[in-house]
Amino acid sequence: KQEVTQIPAALSVPEGENLVLNCSFTDSAIYNLQWFRQDPGKGLTSLLLIQSSQREQTSGRLNASLDKSSGRSTLYIAASQPGDSATYLCAAPSGGYNKLIFGAGTRLAVHP
Amino acid sequence: NAGVTQTPKFQVLKTGQSMTLQCAQDMNHNSMYWYRQDPGMGLRLIYYSASEGTTDKGEVPNGYNVSRLNKREFSLRLESAAPSQTSVYFCASSVERNTDTQYFGPGTRLTVL
Repeated sequence: KQEVTQIPAALSVPEGENLVLNCSFTDSAIYNLQWFRQDPGKGLTSLLLIQSSQREQTSGRLNASLDKSSGRSTLYIAASQPGDSATYLCAAPSGGYNKLIFGAGTRLAVHP
Repeated sequence: NAGVTQTPKFQVLKTGQSMTLQCAQDMNHNSMYWYRQDPGMGLRLIYYSASEGTTDKGEVPNGYNVSRLNKREFSLRLESAAPSQTSVYFCASSVERNTDTQYFGPGTRLTVL
């Protein structure tokens, strides 16, 4: 059974810092892993989807890596800005094509 | 192009009442999903529909029923609401299945008294 864990649960940083969010999963037989962003009171927005054949995926200041052998993914945010403040969730498939298991999220606060 | 829309945005029910949460997508996606989000527990899949005419249980289906009315619409019904069903409910859709990005609606905040 897939379990997804995110560390840290919360993070507060000054503007401009580079930071790393961590995601670990127990079942490494995955074909992709997704990172989402959630603003307070809002739905989820997809940030990056990494296929199992890829090791990295980049979008602007965001870079996500995937290491299936160790059961880990990281989301790297460069030069953080106050607008990056949100909860970041990772999700991995479980037991079939239509089931995503989500981590509890990392709540990020970037202060000016 | 509205993406994924959900109604209502907020709802308060008394224990034992029934209601249906509506979801529609205009992206011509085949797969649709219902999740619930509770503090500290992340999102959990309630039901999903891989394609029009099919539905399957997710992690936490007890107390819920779903209907895939057509390709655009996927509704979630609570037949007899319980306080444990107080949560935020999200609908999502994807082109096919979990190899594809899921797009989420804004959510319905449900309180059961």
